[in-house]
Amino acid sequence: QQPVQSPQAVILREGEDAVINCSSSKALYSVHWYRQKHGEAPVFLMILLKGGEQKGHDKISASFNEKKQQSSLYLTASQLSYSGTYFCGTELGAGGTSYGKLTFGQGTILTVHP
Amino acid sequence: DGGITQSPKYLFRKEGQNVTLSCEQNLNHDAMYWYRQDPGQGLRLIYYSQIVNDFQKGDIAEGYSVSREKKESFPLTVTSAQKNPTAFYLCASRLAGDRGELFFGEGSRLTVL
Repeated sequence: QQPVQSPQAVILREGEDAVINCSSSKALYSVHWYRQKHGEAPVFLMILLKGGEQKGHDKISASFNEKKQQSSLYLTASQLSYSGTYFCGTELGAGGTSYGKLTFGQGTILTVHP
Repeated sequence: DGGITQSPKYLFRKEGQNVTLSCEQNLNHDAMYWYRQDPGQGLRLIYYSQIVNDFQKGDIAEGYSVSREKKESFPLTVTSAQKNPTAFYLCASRLAGDRGELFFGEGSRLTVL
């Protein structure tokens, strides 16, 4: 079952912040975040593992709420290069082992204007 | 340089014909995946394989078939049973048994006329 992302689209001015959410109805093993530019392959941003950790990558960070099975991607002081479609991917597993199946949400289109 | 190569990049076929999309990786990755991308529907998992000679159906496997005879290769066949085959197809790979990132190929765009 695909995770659910929200919002579907975001329009920002350069320097503004945005939050993209990803939720699942099942207990997650890990959450992945990727960004895809038009006509290109998705590019990896970060992985979050069980344990509620938070990670950062330059001005992009993410959190994982294990109790709610939700992850959020935070983009601060957005730049023009942040424009693209953001996908969360979720993975199930048990006992410290992944089932190997990685399922993606429908994507969030982020547009940053000058 | 290591990476994933998908071919062809663009493919046109007549309705009712089977089509095979190639995916080759030289990253020594155990796990390989096929996704279909349609506008507004994100990436949907077709098939995945964690080891040679073994693969599992994803969420939209109907009308597709795969094989995994070699670690480096994971071809996808779009059969005539697939009702709406026109789409962008992405192949990806990663190390199995590790919560590692997916590496994607550049994709193959299939148009059925």
